[in-house]
Amino acid sequence: GAGVSQSPRYKVAKRGQDVALRCDPISGHVSLFWYQQALGQGPEFLTYFQNEAQLDKSGLPSDRFFAERPEGSVSTLKIQRTQQEDSAVYLCASSFQPPVLAGGTDTQYFGPGTRLTVL
Amino acid sequence: RKEVEQDPGPFNVPEGATVAFNCTYSNSASQSFFWYRQDCRKEPKLLMSVYSSGNEDGRFTAQLNRASQYISLLIRDSKLSDSATYLCVVNIHPGRRALTFGSGTRLQVQP
Repeated sequence: GAGVSQSPRYKVAKRGQDVALRCDPISGHVSLFWYQQALGQGPEFLTYFQNEAQLDKSGLPSDRFFAERPEGSVSTLKIQRTQQEDSAVYLCASSFQPPVLAGGTDTQYFGPGTRLTVL
Repeated sequence: RKEVEQDPGPFNVPEGATVAFNCTYSNSASQSFFWYRQDCRKEPKLLMSVYSSGNEDGRFTAQLNRASQYISLLIRDSKLSDSATYLCVVNIHPGRRALTFGSGTRLQVQP
């Protein structure tokens, strides 16, 4: 079956522009995650959805970052008034996460990412 | 101090060599542990989960030492195709679903 897909794959924005990044998770996956990966670093957590509910947004770096998943499937990460430090690869991941799983986390499957460059 | 720490490398090894990567994590209550592999300009892909008793998958062996908060990955009989960055990944805060990644260890297998 299809994996996680993301669009666009590449985005160039001028400083101050707003951008919207899309993620299509694996069908049937309850959990959806956004991560930010700077060059030479590991991915860093931004936010997490269980179905349409945003249960953890502790990793969002500022109020310019906003994510939504209104119907519990596709998610959009929006960055307002982009800054040069926002340049990174934005990765989306999904997992099945059975509701009875107590503690820990199950395998997360990553999309190819969107490479954002802010000029 | 980072929550998950790895030696960045690079590790340059000849084909057929055995190579080991180590990783330490900060929270003794962490519950889930993984090794992910990331090729250049690609997404991370799960290599293997790490279980308390240690586990093996072909040429790859993962070990977990909870007392020392230490995870290892051993690769035997290295192949050119093993060249990649290996990310140590921990569910640092069990009450949350987020994964915490190390910065990765780069491996280059040479002919």
